[in-house]
Amino acid sequence: GAVVSQHPSRVICKSGTSVKIECRSLDFQATTMFWYRQFPKQSLMLMATSNEGSKATYEQGVEKDKFLINHASLTLSTLTVTSAHPEDSSFYICSARVGLLGTEAFFGQGTRLTVV
Amino acid sequence: GIQVEQSPPDLILQEGANSTLRCNFSDSVNNLQWFHQNPWGQLINLFYIPSGTKQNGRLSATTVATERYSLLYISSSQTTDSGVYFCAVVLRAQGGKLIFGQGTELSVKP
Repeated sequence: GAVVSQHPSRVICKSGTSVKIECRSLDFQATTMFWYRQFPKQSLMLMATSNEGSKATYEQGVEKDKFLINHASLTLSTLTVTSAHPEDSSFYICSARVGLLGTEAFFGQGTRLTVV
Repeated sequence: GIQVEQSPPDLILQEGANSTLRCNFSDSVNNLQWFHQNPWGQLINLFYIPSGTKQNGRLSATTVATERYSLLYISSSQTTDSGVYFCAVVLRAQGGKLIFGQGTELSVKP
């Protein structure tokens, strides 16, 4: 299957600072990537859809100014958590799809963010 | 919006036992995937199965799209099968979003 690489896998940051998470499709081009957040013992919640060359589409309730998404190339999307607070601590995971809508999606390894 | 319900929420098995996990969805979907989330959080693709039946080793899956459900079968379970199993559906009308169920947490005891 296709490979999606996410970096870093784990990060600890101080409250008030910003953290950038990268998501790369290693062996395919992805015009669309998706960002999810997962709290302990819960399911994955879609945060936003990242579109190459255009603005991201955010799900209801997700602050676009807090979670900045940039999809500057067909193989890279970044999520920046700005002015992080302890309640932003979570597991963030990205996904990319090979080809057209409806085809199989693959996930990165995830990033465990801890804000202290 | 669409509802994706998985059952059971938790399952404890003895090694070697068989199990069936179910995924119900409330509306027509374009595709469905099953995943296994390992203890480190990585989502492992198990099946991409919009309809029909597929098998991969001890695992198999069946999706009956017209009746809006999918089943994941695990046979001769092993301790390494432990973890959370998610089904997720694709909504083409909403840009191909993948919407997840709440998962089934499986624990296989030696």
